[in-house]
Amino acid sequence: EDQVTQSPEALRLQEGESSSLNCSYTVSGLRGLFWYRQDPGKGPEFLFTLYSAGEEKEKERLKATLTKKESFLHITAPKPEDSATYLCAVRASNYQLIWGAGTKLIIKP
Amino acid sequence: ETGVTQTPRHLVMGMTNKKSLKCEQHLGHNAMYWYKQSAKKPLELMFVYNFKEQTENNSVPSRFSPECPNSSHLFLHLHTLQPEDSALYLCASSPYADSPTDTQYFGPGTRLTVL
Repeated sequence: EDQVTQSPEALRLQEGESSSLNCSYTVSGLRGLFWYRQDPGKGPEFLFTLYSAGEEKEKERLKATLTKKESFLHITAPKPEDSATYLCAVRASNYQLIWGAGTKLIIKP
Repeated sequence: ETGVTQTPRHLVMGMTNKKSLKCEQHLGHNAMYWYKQSAKKPLELMFVYNFKEQTENNSVPSRFSPECPNSSHLFLHLHTLQPEDSALYLCASSPYADSPTDTQYFGPGTRLTVL
């Protein structure tokens, strides 16, 4: 069965304290792994798509990496405005997205 | 208007009411989606439309009835809902529903409360 698991469920960091969020997946025929950011009361905002193991993408303080079993979202020297829930999803063989439950990230000033 | 818009943003309804959610996308996409988001749970795909034709219905109860008059508009008609239907309902669009490279773009959602 296709499945996506995100950890931790919540993460509290001090401003400037780097860390990583994890997204592990089991899917037959991966057709892409997606990272989104969601702020309270808003819809998910697209961040990255990764297609093959070893691929990396960066955007400001965020870097996403992909292996055959998991993806990491690395956050370097985070700022309070990086506080949000980060969602991971994989595209299954039927082209639909299978979503994780998200990691709520809180950055304290 | 740009991106994906949804109205209303908030909705409170009784179990016997009938209401509709509206979604409009200004991205020129051909596929549209309804998702349900409950607290601390993964997004649940409800319906998929590709070129106005419904291609997915993930065992959604009949009290939810989708309508897609054209590729830019999507509605979700609600009737006789239950309190457990209270959630954030998200609309999304993408260029196609069956492409391996397309990205889904989301609206802000409608926060639904069923009393």
